[in-house]
Amino acid sequence: DQQVKQNSPSLSVQEGRISILNCDYTNSMFDYFLWYKKYPAEGPTFLISISSIKDKNEDGRFTVFLNKSAKHLSLHIVPSQPGDSAVYFCAATHTNDYKLSFGAGTTVTVRA
Amino acid sequence: DAGITQSPRHKVTETGTPVTLRCHQTENHRYMYWYRQDPGHGLRLIHYSYGVKDTDKGEVSDGYSVSRSKTEDFLLTLESATSSQTSVYFCAISGQAVSTDTQYFGPGTRLTVL
Repeated sequence: DQQVKQNSPSLSVQEGRISILNCDYTNSMFDYFLWYKKYPAEGPTFLISISSIKDKNEDGRFTVFLNKSAKHLSLHIVPSQPGDSAVYFCAATHTNDYKLSFGAGTTVTVRA
Repeated sequence: DAGITQSPRHKVTETGTPVTLRCHQTENHRYMYWYRQDPGHGLRLIHYSYGVKDTDKGEVSDGYSVSRSKTEDFLLTLESATSSQTSVYFCAISGQAVSTDTQYFGPGTRLTVL
């Protein structure tokens, strides 16, 4: 049973607009969340993370929001650029664990 | 970029044959992982290692075995490949728990079992 779910397999957005990617989790033990980005024929690369003691973390154009009561997080990309076209994976773990649980991924396409 | 290489990068094999994939790191990281990526499933953990000769099963370990005889190498073996093991396989490494250290991924191995 998948503990991390990304229910939107794909997202198409115009260049310059906001991309919003969603992720839900079911395991109450998870307290650390990450987003990875993956280009074709490459391995995933770490993008941004958030601890459960926060509800927002920002890094340049990327912001992750965490709603613990809803067991929901989202990734906002503003403004979206063509180089953001990739697959984005949501992942979760709990503190001091060394394993990650991944969602199925969302493919983002940024249109010119 | 983290020093992780995977070999081979592509492999086509036949059902019933043994296959070994290799992951090599130059970072001296303690933890190493094998994942498979399949459409609709994302990345699923097959096996992981928390030190030399210390390994454990992940969520999809059936049909796979691993070995780690030295820090830098982590081998994934399919004893008798099946078509359901056609996938893209990624190795990853981390130095500490993932909440305090990034997990870095290798470039992947695309395996096709005919």
